[in-house]
Amino acid sequence: KAGVTQTPRYLIKTRGQQVTLSCSPISGHRSVSWYQQTPGQGLQFLFEYFSETQRNKGNFPGRFSGRQFSNSRSEMNVSTLELGDSALYLCASKTGFDTEAFFGQGTRLTVV
Amino acid sequence: GQNIDQPTEMTATEGAIVQINCTYQTSGFNGLFWYQQHAGEAPTFLSYNVLDGLEEKGRFSSFLSRSKGYSYLLLKELQMKDSASYLCAVNAGNNRKLIWGLGTSLGVNP
Repeated sequence: KAGVTQTPRYLIKTRGQQVTLSCSPISGHRSVSWYQQTPGQGLQFLFEYFSETQRNKGNFPGRFSGRQFSNSRSEMNVSTLELGDSALYLCASKTGFDTEAFFGQGTRLTVV
Repeated sequence: GQNIDQPTEMTATEGAIVQINCTYQTSGFNGLFWYQQHAGEAPTFLSYNVLDGLEEKGRFSSFLSRSKGYSYLLLKELQMKDSASYLCAVNAGNNRKLIWGLGTSLGVNP
């Protein structure tokens, strides 16, 4: 079956702009989580959605937001981009709360 | 607070055995995951320990001691392709939030 799909794979944006990233989970997976990964900070949890509801939230500013649709697809939005937002953004889906997460290939965001 | 510690880097020789440790302090504990991440790729699931003890899966084994807040990943018969980052993550609290370590970068030398 198809894996987790993230689009786009690469993105270059200018400071102050906003960006929307998309994630299509594995069919049947209702939980979608988003992470930011940078060399110095490792995997930083952004938020988790389950059946269109935000279940968990990390310690990121309000510029980072997300949502999940009825088909479990999820989007995350970052407004007023800063240079420090340059990172690999990973999406992961899973069937339930205590099961393994399957990661997408990520979106590499560069803010210039 | 929530904290997970792993060594930053390790090196080993092809064919050898290596143990990657992970210690954790979290509010509540439901289980511990190990993931492997090759450079430029997505993390992939290796193991999930809920109860104390050793779980073996081919060349990889994972151990958990809940009383000590400690886990390790054991890699046997190391191969060059095992060069990767190994991430430890704890499933913590009633809300099942995943707390991640910074990862251990393992280099395997011929």
